[in-house]
Amino acid sequence: AQTVTQSQPEMSVQEAETVTLSCTYDTSENNYYLFWYKQPPSRQMILVIRQEAYKQQNATENRFSVNFQKAAKSFSLKISDSQLGDTAMYFCAFMFLWRGSQGNLIFGKGTKLSVKP
Amino acid sequence: DAGVTQSPTHLIKTRGQQVTLRCSPKSGHDTVSWYQQALGQGPQFIFQYYEEEERQRGNFPDRFSGHQFPNYSSELNVNALLLGDSALYLCASSWGGASGTQYFGPGTRLTVL
Repeated sequence: AQTVTQSQPEMSVQEAETVTLSCTYDTSENNYYLFWYKQPPSRQMILVIRQEAYKQQNATENRFSVNFQKAAKSFSLKISDSQLGDTAMYFCAFMFLWRGSQGNLIFGKGTKLSVKP
Repeated sequence: DAGVTQSPTHLIKTRGQQVTLRCSPKSGHDTVSWYQQALGQGPQFIFQYYEEEERQRGNFPDRFSGHQFPNYSSELNVNALLLGDSALYLCASSWGGASGTQYFGPGTRLTVL
């Protein structure tokens, strides 16, 4: 069974600084996708970034980038130039392919990030 | 372009009652997945609908059932409500291909008294 582990329940960072959130996963699959979602207090789950396992290049989206280490089954999220609006719960999620189609998302327990002014 | 919408926003039920939650997918999406998120936890997969059929199911009892309509909207039904069913219910829509990314609605907060 696939599992996703986020070992940092809470983190804080000063505005404009850089922070890295950790995520590890366990799977025997070779073809899968990894995601980071953020969930602010408004509770809407918002996609931050996505990584295809077959791609060696790390995904980036503006201030957000990942460090994907497939052999180590590690998928960390780096937030540069942190902003107050980045305050949220961050969830790492794994999705395998099911019969050639998308499977379901498997989430970690989340990391609560607070950005301080 | 409207995103994923869910209704109602929140509702309160008593034990033993039945509830129906609704979801309209993002334009162009044909797949709807439902998740249950207990307080302080990550979402747990309930089931996924594609072409009006349940394609996958998570580890939830038969009290949880669903439906997908020809316009791709979906319903989640929960019968014989238990206190433990109190949670945020999230709907996510996607394109049904292998590379489809799931986009979430704002959720329905269900409280069972």
